[in-house]
Amino acid sequence: KQEVTQIPAALSVPEGENLVLNCSFTDSAIYNLQWFRQDPGKGLTSLLLIQSSQREQTSGRLNASLDKSSGRSTLYIAASQPGDSATYLCAVIRLMDSSYKLIFGSGTRLLVRP
Amino acid sequence: GAGVSQSPSNKVTEKGKDVELRCDPISGHTALYWYRQSLGQGLEFLIYFQGNSAPDKSGLPSDRFSAERTGGSVSTLTIQRTQQEDSAVYLCASNPVPGTPPYEQYFGPGTRLTVT
Repeated sequence: KQEVTQIPAALSVPEGENLVLNCSFTDSAIYNLQWFRQDPGKGLTSLLLIQSSQREQTSGRLNASLDKSSGRSTLYIAASQPGDSATYLCAVIRLMDSSYKLIFGSGTRLLVRP
Repeated sequence: GAGVSQSPSNKVTEKGKDVELRCDPISGHTALYWYRQSLGQGLEFLIYFQGNSAPDKSGLPSDRFSAERTGGSVSTLTIQRTQQEDSAVYLCASNPVPGTPPYEQYFGPGTRLTVT
């Protein structure tokens, strides 16, 4: 059974810091890995998607890496801002039971203090 | 273009009542997914539609839960005889063509269901 774990569960940092969020998964047979952001009471916003053949993706101040063999991904946020405060979820896509379903981690709640 | 939309955004119902949650996927997206996000359980898959058929219902938690999709577009998730443990945010997602990289799913804002 595929399990996705995110560490830490919560993180509080002062504005301007660079930070790393971690995601690990137990089964390397994934199609891709996606990082999402969720603001309180809102849906999911896709941040970055890394295909299984890729090692990293970058978008602005965000950089996500993927190491399939070790079952790990990291989301690096540079020069954090208060507006980055949200819950960050990673999810892997696997073909299971005839569908490409997302299997989510439990998230990291990030607070960036002004 | 318009994204995935869901209605209602919030629903409060009494235990034992039936509820219907609606999802309008992005136009032209053939694949549609329902997920549930509850406290202490994280985000979990419920059901997947390809067109109007549901080849994967493995995540539905009980036979009180059912879903249908019509015209390859709108989907309705129905919960019968709601229980307090059904309280959660129900999220819908769609993607253009299943089995086509990069398999990215696009999410709606969710429906927050509270069973009192």
